[in-house]
This record gives sequence, C-alpha cells and structure tokens, in this order.
Amino acid sequence: KAGVTQTPRYLIKTRGQQVTLSCSPISGHRSVSWYQQTPGQGLQFLFEYFSETQRNKGNFPGRFSGRQFSNSRSEMNVSTLELGDSALYLCASSPGLAADEQYFGPGTRLTVT
Amino acid sequence: GESVGLHLPTLSVQEGDNSIINCAYSNSASDYFIWYKQESGKGPQFIIDIRSNMDKRQGQRVTVLLNKTVKHLSLQIAATQPGDSAVYFCAESSGTDKLIFGTGTRLQVFP
Repeated sequence: KAGVTQTPRYLIKTRGQQVTLSCSPISGHRSVSWYQQTPGQGLQFLFEYFSETQRNKGNFPGRFSGRQFSNSRSEMNVSTLELGDSALYLCASSPGLAADEQYFGPGTRLTVT
Repeated sequence: GESVGLHLPTLSVQEGDNSIINCAYSNSASDYFIWYKQESGKGPQFIIDIRSNMDKRQGQRVTVLLNKTVKHLSLQIAATQPGDSAVYFCAESSGTDKLIFGTGTRLQVFP
C-alpha cells in the first residue's frame, strides 16, 4: 500500500506570494492533518480534515487555509507569504479520527525569500 | 538533509547499549500517546503507541512505559543500532482531539 505523498517536495517563493501544497493520504484513510515544522517551534498543528470537513484548527493566522476533497486528498494554501512561513510542511493521514496513529508524508520544504 | 531542530536535548549512546528517551506530557486528561522517529530529510515515522489503560507496551526492540501519576512517558530501545539515530517525538491526545507533539530528543549512536 502506498504511503502518504506530498507535492511538491521543495518550493521557493517570495514574500507576498501565495502557495498551495498537496497531500494524498494512504488509500482508505479519511483523516488528513497538516503540521508546520521549524527548528525553533517544533511540530505545530495547523488543521485536520475528516470527510471533507475541518474538524480541528491550530493557532495560525487566517492566511493558512486548507480543504479536503471527496477522495480524501487535501490541499493547504498560504497567502501573502512571510519570511517566517519558511518551514517543512508535513501532512499525516489516519484511518479514522486524527487521534489514531498518524502516518506522515515526507513533507514539503517551503523557503520564502 | 533538513535540520529538524538545532537545540534539541541530545542522548548519546554506544552501539549495542539500551537507550531511554523520556517525555513529560502536560494534559492529565490525555489518554493516547505515540512515539515517532524522524530521520533527517524524512517525515516522522510511527514507532509505538499506548493508551492510558496500560502502563507498558512492547514492540520489536522498543518498549513504551507510561506513568500517569507523574505524567511521564518513556521509550526504551534495546540494543541500539546506528540506524536508530534520529529525533524522537512523543505525542499525546485526549479523546478524539488532535495530537500534541513534544519538542523532541535527538538520539546519537556511536560505534
């Protein structure tokens, strides 16, 4: 069974631009969670989607948004990029609700210049 | 690979020794705990989990211990190998709420 895939793996953007990251969960998994990982802040929860509905949201500004499609694939969008948004963005899927064991993708490394 | 954390607590062990990585969790209502391993350039990898109705759970070369009285979780790795070198995270959740991750511990294995 294929694991969680994320595209693109690496991305360079400039301040003020917007970016969309994509995540394909493990087949059959219905929950997708997104995390931001930085050296200073560790793994920070962004949001969780289950059956196309946002179920949980972390403490991030409204510039960070996401959605989930009927096939459980998910996208997250960051608008008006800031230098501080440079991070590794990780997607994780789980069979049911996110409190179950989560399987992570390799992440998308976003660099904002 | 990418640097997961520049100032993480570090545990250095010799190959073949046992490793113990500790984690203090914050929420006394947490009832589900997971240990993840993250190697450089990769996403976190699930190692083992435990629910609050258990004190101990064993996997292949790994054991997780849960002490709810002092809100402490530990991961024991037997016969540590160079391939175990990574950053290890504990995570907690309460009910169906989201997982909260700890800051991580870097494990370095030297020959």
